[in-house]
Amino acid sequence: EAGVAQSPRYKIIEKRQSVAFWCNPISGHATLYWYQQILGQGPKLLIQFQNNGVVDDSQLPKDRFSAERLKGVDSTLKIQPAKLEDSAVYLCASSPAAEETQYFGPGTRLLVL
Amino acid sequence: DQQVKQNSPSLSVQEGRISILNCDYTNSMFDYFLWYKKYPAEGPTFLISISSIKDKNEDGRFTVFLNKSAKHLSLHIVPSQPGDSAVYFCAAKTSGTYKYIFGTGTRLKVLA
Repeated sequence: EAGVAQSPRYKIIEKRQSVAFWCNPISGHATLYWYQQILGQGPKLLIQFQNNGVVDDSQLPKDRFSAERLKGVDSTLKIQPAKLEDSAVYLCASSPAAEETQYFGPGTRLLVL
Repeated sequence: DQQVKQNSPSLSVQEGRISILNCDYTNSMFDYFLWYKKYPAEGPTFLISISSIKDKNEDGRFTVFLNKSAKHLSLHIVPSQPGDSAVYFCAAKTSGTYKYIFGTGTRLKVLA
Protein backbone atom coordinates (compact mmCIF):
# COMPACT_ATOMS: atom_id res chain seq x y z
CA GLU A 1 0.00 0.00 0.00
CA ALA A 2 1.45 3.38 -0.99
CA GLY A 3 2.01 5.84 1.84
CA VAL A 4 1.23 9.53 2.04
CA ALA A 5 2.99 11.40 -0.77
CA GLN A 6 4.16 14.99 -0.51
CA SER A 7 5.88 17.33 -2.92
CA PRO A 8 8.14 19.12 -3.17
CA ARG A 9 10.47 17.71 -0.54
CA TYR A 10 12.43 20.92 -0.20
CA LYS A 11 11.71 24.53 -1.08
CA ILE A 12 13.70 27.71 -0.63
CA ILE A 13 11.98 31.03 -1.24
CA GLU A 14 12.43 34.67 -0.31
CA LYS A 15 10.12 36.40 2.11
CA ARG A 16 6.96 37.81 0.58
CA GLN A 17 6.99 35.15 -2.15
CA SER A 18 4.26 32.53 -2.47
CA VAL A 19 4.63 28.77 -2.15
CA ALA A 20 2.37 25.75 -2.46
CA PHE A 21 2.68 22.23 -1.14
CA TRP A 22 0.88 19.17 -2.37
CA CYS A 23 -0.26 16.06 -0.51
CA ASN A 24 -1.76 12.82 -1.75
CA PRO A 25 -3.13 10.75 1.16
CA ILE A 26 -3.36 7.00 1.43
CA SER A 27 -6.12 5.73 -0.84
CA GLY A 28 -9.46 5.60 0.93
CA HIS A 29 -8.45 7.77 3.88
CA ALA A 30 -11.22 10.24 4.59
CA THR A 31 -9.33 12.46 7.02
CA LEU A 32 -6.37 14.62 6.02
CA TYR A 33 -4.22 16.81 8.23
CA TRP A 34 -1.60 19.49 7.63
CA TYR A 35 0.95 20.09 10.40
CA GLN A 36 3.70 22.66 10.79
CA GLN A 37 6.84 21.54 12.60
CA ILE A 38 9.27 24.30 13.50
CA LEU A 39 12.80 23.22 14.36
CA GLY A 40 12.99 22.00 17.95
CA GLN A 41 9.23 21.77 18.36
CA GLY A 42 6.62 19.09 17.91
CA PRO A 43 4.18 19.10 14.99
CA LYS A 44 1.37 21.62 15.32
CA LEU A 45 -1.95 20.99 13.58
CA LEU A 46 -2.80 23.67 11.02
CA ILE A 47 -5.93 22.23 9.42
CA GLN A 48 -7.95 19.03 9.36
CA PHE A 49 -10.21 17.91 6.52
CA GLN A 50 -12.93 15.27 6.65
CA ASN A 51 -13.41 14.34 2.99
CA ASN A 52 -13.49 17.77 1.35
CA GLY A 53 -14.85 19.67 4.34
CA VAL A 54 -12.82 21.55 6.96
CA VAL A 55 -13.16 20.13 10.49
CA ASP A 56 -10.64 22.34 12.30
CA ASP A 57 -8.61 25.28 11.04
CA SER A 58 -8.36 27.14 14.32
CA GLN A 59 -4.54 27.30 14.21
CA LEU A 60 -4.22 28.20 10.54
CA PRO A 61 -2.98 31.80 10.05
CA LYS A 62 -5.73 32.60 7.61
CA ASP A 63 -4.29 35.94 6.58
CA ARG A 64 -1.52 34.17 4.70
CA PHE A 65 -2.22 30.42 4.74
CA SER A 66 -4.90 28.64 2.75
CA ALA A 67 -5.65 24.99 2.10
CA GLU A 68 -8.07 23.05 0.01
CA ARG A 69 -9.01 19.46 -0.59
CA LEU A 70 -11.06 19.45 -3.73
CA LYS A 71 -12.81 16.16 -4.49
CA GLY A 72 -11.86 14.86 -1.06
CA VAL A 73 -8.59 13.28 -2.17
CA ASP A 74 -5.38 15.25 -2.55
CA SER A 75 -4.79 18.59 -0.94
CA THR A 76 -2.73 21.74 -1.37
CA LEU A 77 -1.46 24.12 1.29
CA LYS A 78 -0.48 27.62 0.19
CA ILE A 79 1.41 30.41 1.90
CA GLN A 80 1.05 33.90 0.44
CA PRO A 81 3.08 35.93 1.27
CA ALA A 82 5.68 33.94 3.19
CA LYS A 83 7.44 35.28 6.27
CA LEU A 84 10.75 34.25 7.79
CA GLU A 85 8.96 32.53 10.67
CA ASP A 86 7.21 30.19 8.23
CA SER A 87 10.47 28.26 7.83
CA ALA A 88 9.51 24.78 9.00
CA VAL A 89 8.71 21.27 7.88
CA TYR A 90 5.14 20.94 6.64
CA LEU A 91 3.77 17.48 7.29
CA CYS A 92 0.70 15.96 5.74
CA ALA A 93 -1.03 13.03 7.43
CA SER A 94 -4.11 10.95 6.70
CA SER A 95 -6.27 8.49 8.57
CA PRO A 96 -9.16 6.23 7.57
CA ALA A 97 -11.42 8.18 9.94
CA ALA A 98 -10.90 11.04 12.37
CA GLU A 99 -10.38 8.89 15.49
CA GLU A 100 -7.95 6.49 13.87
CA THR A 101 -4.16 6.37 13.64
CA GLN A 102 -2.60 9.08 11.52
CA TYR A 103 -0.07 8.15 8.86
CA PHE A 104 2.43 10.86 8.02
CA GLY A 105 4.13 11.76 4.77
CA PRO A 106 7.85 12.62 4.60
CA GLY A 107 7.18 16.36 4.82
CA THR A 108 8.21 19.42 2.85
CA ARG A 109 11.07 21.41 4.33
CA LEU A 110 10.56 25.13 3.67
CA LEU A 111 13.24 27.74 4.13
CA VAL A 112 12.23 31.38 3.84
CA LEU A 113 15.16 33.77 3.33
CA ASP B 1 1.68 27.23 26.81
CA GLN B 2 3.30 23.85 26.25
CA GLN B 3 0.68 21.34 27.35
CA VAL B 4 2.83 18.32 26.51
CA LYS B 5 6.46 18.40 27.57
CA GLN B 6 9.41 16.19 26.84
CA ASN B 7 12.08 17.65 29.06
CA SER B 8 14.96 15.54 27.79
CA PRO B 9 15.97 16.65 24.29
CA SER B 10 18.32 13.70 23.93
CA LEU B 11 19.19 10.33 25.42
CA SER B 12 22.01 7.86 24.76
CA VAL B 13 21.73 4.19 25.70
CA GLN B 14 23.91 1.15 25.13
CA GLU B 15 22.55 -1.56 22.84
CA GLY B 16 20.70 -4.22 24.83
CA ARG B 17 19.89 -1.92 27.74
CA ILE B 18 16.58 -0.27 28.55
CA SER B 19 15.64 3.11 27.06
CA ILE B 20 13.17 5.19 29.06
CA LEU B 21 11.63 8.23 27.41
CA ASN B 22 9.49 10.53 29.51
CA CYS B 23 6.59 12.84 28.79
CA ASP B 24 4.64 15.15 31.10
CA TYR B 25 1.35 16.88 30.43
CA THR B 26 -0.56 19.64 32.13
CA ASN B 27 -4.10 19.21 30.83
CA SER B 28 -6.00 16.78 33.07
CA MET B 29 -8.63 16.39 30.34
CA PHE B 30 -6.21 14.49 28.12
CA ASP B 31 -7.29 10.86 28.02
CA TYR B 32 -5.56 9.33 25.02
CA PHE B 33 -1.83 9.28 24.39
CA LEU B 34 0.42 8.20 21.54
CA TRP B 35 4.10 7.75 20.88
CA TYR B 36 5.50 8.38 17.42
CA LYS B 37 8.98 7.61 16.13
CA LYS B 38 10.66 9.78 13.50
CA TYR B 39 13.72 9.00 11.40
CA PRO B 40 15.56 11.82 9.59
CA ALA B 41 13.88 12.97 6.36
CA GLU B 42 10.82 10.83 7.08
CA GLY B 43 7.46 11.57 8.63
CA PRO B 44 6.59 10.35 12.13
CA THR B 45 5.35 6.77 12.35
CA PHE B 46 2.92 5.53 14.98
CA LEU B 47 4.50 3.35 17.64
CA ILE B 48 2.12 2.67 20.52
CA SER B 49 -0.87 4.23 22.26
CA ILE B 50 -2.57 4.15 25.64
CA SER B 51 -5.98 5.17 26.87
CA SER B 52 -6.48 6.74 30.30
CA ILE B 53 -8.48 3.70 31.44
CA LYS B 54 -5.22 1.75 31.43
CA ASP B 55 -1.92 2.32 33.15
CA LYS B 56 0.17 0.11 30.89
CA ASN B 57 0.21 -1.05 27.29
CA GLU B 58 2.74 -3.39 25.80
CA ASP B 59 3.71 -4.19 22.21
CA GLY B 60 6.77 -6.35 21.79
CA ARG B 61 9.81 -4.47 23.01
CA PHE B 62 7.79 -1.30 23.61
CA THR B 63 5.78 -0.57 26.75
CA VAL B 64 4.02 2.66 27.62
CA PHE B 65 3.18 3.48 31.24
CA LEU B 66 0.65 6.11 32.26
CA ASN B 67 0.54 7.74 35.70
CA LYS B 68 -2.58 9.88 35.66
CA SER B 69 -2.10 11.37 39.11
CA ALA B 70 1.37 12.60 38.14
CA LYS B 71 0.27 13.49 34.60
CA HIS B 72 3.22 11.53 33.34
CA LEU B 73 3.78 8.85 30.75
CA SER B 74 6.87 6.97 29.76
CA LEU B 75 7.97 4.75 26.93
CA HIS B 76 10.23 1.81 27.75
CA ILE B 77 12.20 0.06 25.02
CA VAL B 78 13.72 -3.26 26.07
CA PRO B 79 16.16 -4.31 24.76
CA SER B 80 17.27 -1.22 22.87
CA GLN B 81 18.62 -1.74 19.36
CA PRO B 82 20.64 0.57 17.09
CA GLY B 83 17.64 0.75 14.74
CA ASP B 84 15.67 2.40 17.53
CA SER B 85 17.83 5.51 17.16
CA ALA B 86 15.32 8.20 16.18
CA VAL B 87 13.36 11.13 17.56
CA TYR B 88 10.41 10.08 19.72
CA PHE B 89 7.35 12.30 20.13
CA CYS B 90 4.56 11.84 22.62
CA ALA B 91 1.14 13.26 21.78
CA ALA B 92 -2.08 13.66 23.73
CA LYS B 93 -5.71 14.45 23.08
CA THR B 94 -9.07 14.74 24.78
CA SER B 95 -11.89 12.33 23.89
CA GLY B 96 -14.39 13.86 21.53
CA THR B 97 -11.69 15.91 19.84
CA TYR B 98 -9.37 14.94 17.04
CA LYS B 99 -6.54 17.35 17.72
CA TYR B 100 -3.35 15.89 19.10
CA ILE B 101 -0.92 18.07 21.02
CA PHE B 102 2.65 16.95 20.42
CA GLY B 103 5.65 17.24 22.69
CA THR B 104 8.95 18.63 21.44
CA GLY B 105 10.56 15.22 21.00
CA THR B 106 13.47 13.29 22.49
CA ARG B 107 16.34 12.15 20.29
CA LEU B 108 17.35 8.61 21.24
CA LYS B 109 20.73 7.26 20.25
CA VAL B 110 21.38 3.59 20.83
CA LEU B 111 25.08 2.87 20.84
CA ALA B 112 26.31 -0.43 19.41
